[in-house]
Amino acid sequence: AQSVSQHNHHVILSEAASLELGCNYSYGGTVNLFWYVQYPGQHLQLLLKYFSGDPLVKGIKGFEAEFIKSKFSFNLRKPSVQWSDTAEYFCAVSPYGGSQGNLIFGKGTKLSVKP
Amino acid sequence: DAGITQSPRHKVTETGTPVTLRCHQTENHRYMYWYRQDPGHGLRLIHYSYGVKDTDKGEVSDGYSVSRSKTEDFLLTLESATSSQTSVYFCATRTGTSTDTQYFGPGTRLTVL
Repeated sequence: AQSVSQHNHHVILSEAASLELGCNYSYGGTVNLFWYVQYPGQHLQLLLKYFSGDPLVKGIKGFEAEFIKSKFSFNLRKPSVQWSDTAEYFCAVSPYGGSQGNLIFGKGTKLSVKP
Repeated sequence: DAGITQSPRHKVTETGTPVTLRCHQTENHRYMYWYRQDPGHGLRLIHYSYGVKDTDKGEVSDGYSVSRSKTEDFLLTLESATSSQTSVYFCATRTGTSTDTQYFGPGTRLTVL
């Protein structure tokens, strides 16, 4: 079965530290890839997405992600985090052309940024 | 945001009672989804709809049913609520183009005592 793994359950950083959150998926075909963010008490918001083309994708709020096909990975990065980045981050995968665009989510990574 | 509202936003109910959650969208999106979010599990798909009266099961559909009689409304029903269905429920919509993404509603926190 298709699955998405997020390696870190909880990451704690100080402001200005660099961030990298891991995401790996298991699916042999073409996929669309997403990172969503959920701020405390709020709904999920799209950070960035990858469908095709340049594997380095830039999203909102200074986030970026790199798709490495050979590693089945789509890691999220930010060079310098802020306290306001405290949230839960979800990686999601949608097999291209299948499953009515259904998303398979990872279990999420909580990011706590200390001021 | 895709003009998605969910009602109620919070509900406390007792085991064995029926519960219906409503998702309403104003963007005329073709696809609608119901997810549940539980700590340590991320979001899991319950049911989805690809058009009026067209629905299908997701990963965790047992104990849930859905209906979509109008494009804008997608109802999730727990026929007989159980404590294991205590969760936060999110609705999402998507236009249906190949490069579209899912947009999420604000969520409903359901507690089954």
